[in-house]
Amino acid sequence: KQEVTQIPAALSVPEGENLVLNCSFTDSAIYNLQWFRQDPGKGLTSLLLIQSSQREQTSGRLNASLDKSSGRSTLYIAASQPGDSATYLCAVPLGGNTGKLIFGQGTTLQVKP
Amino acid sequence: DTAVSQTPKYLVTQMGNDKSIKCEQNLGHDTMYWYKQDSKKFLKIMFSYNNKELIINETVPNRFSPKSPDKAHLNLHINSLELGDSAVYFCASSHTHYEQYFGPGTRLTVT
Repeated sequence: KQEVTQIPAALSVPEGENLVLNCSFTDSAIYNLQWFRQDPGKGLTSLLLIQSSQREQTSGRLNASLDKSSGRSTLYIAASQPGDSATYLCAVPLGGNTGKLIFGQGTTLQVKP
Repeated sequence: DTAVSQTPKYLVTQMGNDKSIKCEQNLGHDTMYWYKQDSKKFLKIMFSYNNKELIINETVPNRFSPKSPDKAHLNLHINSLELGDSAVYFCASSHTHYEQYFGPGTRLTVT
């Protein structure tokens, strides 16, 4: 059974700091891994999707890595800004042709000015 | 040019009522999903439709029934609402195995 865990559950950093969010999954047979952002009371915004054949993806100040063999992904945020404050969720598809996403519990990030 | 839209955004109703939430996507995706986010913010898949066929039916009560009139729409009907149904319901869409795009959510409150 696939389980996704995110550590830490919450993180508070001063503006400008570089930070890393962690995501681990128990079954390495995944098609891809997706990182999302959720602002309070809002929907999910897709940030990055890494296919199983890739090791990392970059978008602006965000860099996501994937190590399937160890069941881990990290989301690196460079030069954090107060506007980055949100909950970050990682998710992996269960497999087969379902598209079913298994989500972690999320890391709630607060960037202080 | 909203990609995935849901209506209504908020829904307050009494126990025992029947309600529907609508979802539409204009991305040309072949798969649509319904997720439930509980009070602890945990997201869980409920249903998935691929080309108008149900391919996932998680262990949700049969009071919940998804209906897809066409590839761009996936509605969620809920009968005999219970207090425990209060949650935020998210619709999403994707091409199978690719990036999923989520709607803004519908906050359902059952009193």
